[in-house]
Amino acid sequence: GQNIDQPTEMTATEGAIVQINCTYQTSGFNGLFWYQQHAGEAPTFLSYNVLDGLEEKGRFSSFLSRSKGYSYLLLKELQMKDSASYLCAVTMNRDDKIIFGKGTRLHILP
Amino acid sequence: ETGVTQTPRHLVMGMTNKKSLKCEQHLGHNAMYWYKQSAKKPLELMFVYSLEERVENNSVPSRFSPECPNSSHLFLHLHTLQPEDSALYLCASSPSGQGVPETQYFGPGTRLLVL
Repeated sequence: GQNIDQPTEMTATEGAIVQINCTYQTSGFNGLFWYQQHAGEAPTFLSYNVLDGLEEKGRFSSFLSRSKGYSYLLLKELQMKDSASYLCAVTMNRDDKIIFGKGTRLHILP
Repeated sequence: ETGVTQTPRHLVMGMTNKKSLKCEQHLGHNAMYWYKQSAKKPLELMFVYSLEERVENNSVPSRFSPECPNSSHLFLHLHTLQPEDSALYLCASSPSGQGVPETQYFGPGTRLLVL
């Protein structure tokens, strides 16, 4: 079966750093997406990792380890507007099939 | 503004009603998707269209019927739904949908309540 695990909720302080983990067990793997979704809004793309390693994009970085079935999203210099749900999603093999995790709701405290 | 629009944004319907959800993308993409997002559950892929042909149907009940008249428009026709079908229905599009994982661009969703 397909399974993607990420914490349900996390809390962090404005200006701090937070790491949101995602582990997956899927029959086939091509790459891993991270999406941000503010309450009542559509998900928006953050990153896509195919190869092992860390990819940095401004305040956000995403890491992938294919051998461990593990990824994390690192958010630095947290701002109040970063309060949102963060969705981990896996694409399988070469087709369009994409499976989403349940999302991690991140709360930022002042 | 994501370039993907959905109407209506909110819909309340009875179990015997027939309604349709509409999605339109202004990005020149060739692939469009319907997702269901229920509370405390992951996003579930329902249907995938690539160049107006359905390429994926994830065991969705027949009371949900998609239609893709052209690469810019996607409909989801609803008929005799159940209360457990109440959810946020999200439309997305991607450039080609030709077997290569692509970033998907989501619409704002339609919040559906079935009474």
